[in-house]
Amino acid sequence: GAVVSQHPSRVICKSGTSVKIECRSLDFQATTMFWYRQFPKQSLMLMATSNEGSKATYEQGVEKDKFLINHASLTLSTLTVTSAHPEDSSFYICSADGAGVRAAGDTQYFGPGTRLTVL
Amino acid sequence: KNQVEQSPQSLIILEGKNCTLQCNYTVSPFSNLRWYKQDTGRGPVSLTIMTFSENTKSNGRYTATLDADTKQSSLHITASQLSDSASYICVVSASDDYKLSFGAGTTVTVRA
Repeated sequence: GAVVSQHPSRVICKSGTSVKIECRSLDFQATTMFWYRQFPKQSLMLMATSNEGSKATYEQGVEKDKFLINHASLTLSTLTVTSAHPEDSSFYICSADGAGVRAAGDTQYFGPGTRLTVL
Repeated sequence: KNQVEQSPQSLIILEGKNCTLQCNYTVSPFSNLRWYKQDTGRGPVSLTIMTFSENTKSNGRYTATLDADTKQSSLHITASQLSDSASYICVVSASDDYKLSFGAGTTVTVRA
């Protein structure tokens, strides 16, 4: 149990286009989902916290108008990178808060990640 | 400021050998400490999670230890296999904050 999926797994787009990444909790409901960005050889950096039915909370330095987050249901959150540029190329990982999932302790489950390459 | 430091940054070991990774943290108030394995191009996968009262936890060939007094943890890999080649990330959670504090990770390379 407690599986989180992301789609697509990798995407290549032209500079200036928008890209949408989906994060789904497959077998549990997630009130809160988190979006991270990871550059090569670096650790995960929290971008924003997404709460179902309300506006996302963005970390300092993350442009909310560039990284649009929607969490319309308890099993789906989307991250849209608008007007993507090469510097947005990164590995984007979501996680879902599985509080209530019947697994001891660990309540944040990570997705497999999405590799975004902007040409 | 909550911080998590891991050492070494990377290491290379021969298949079948053991290794130990270190994690020091300053996160307070402490809630739990987790070790994750992240394969290249994949999301992190949980190996172990320990709360304040636990000082050791095993998951197959992976054994994590926690000393909450000195704020140190270690991850021991026994009889390493080629599939153990990955980045191992120490993540600490504070009880007053939903955000996680991530270490930079230790990259382990197992060679035949």
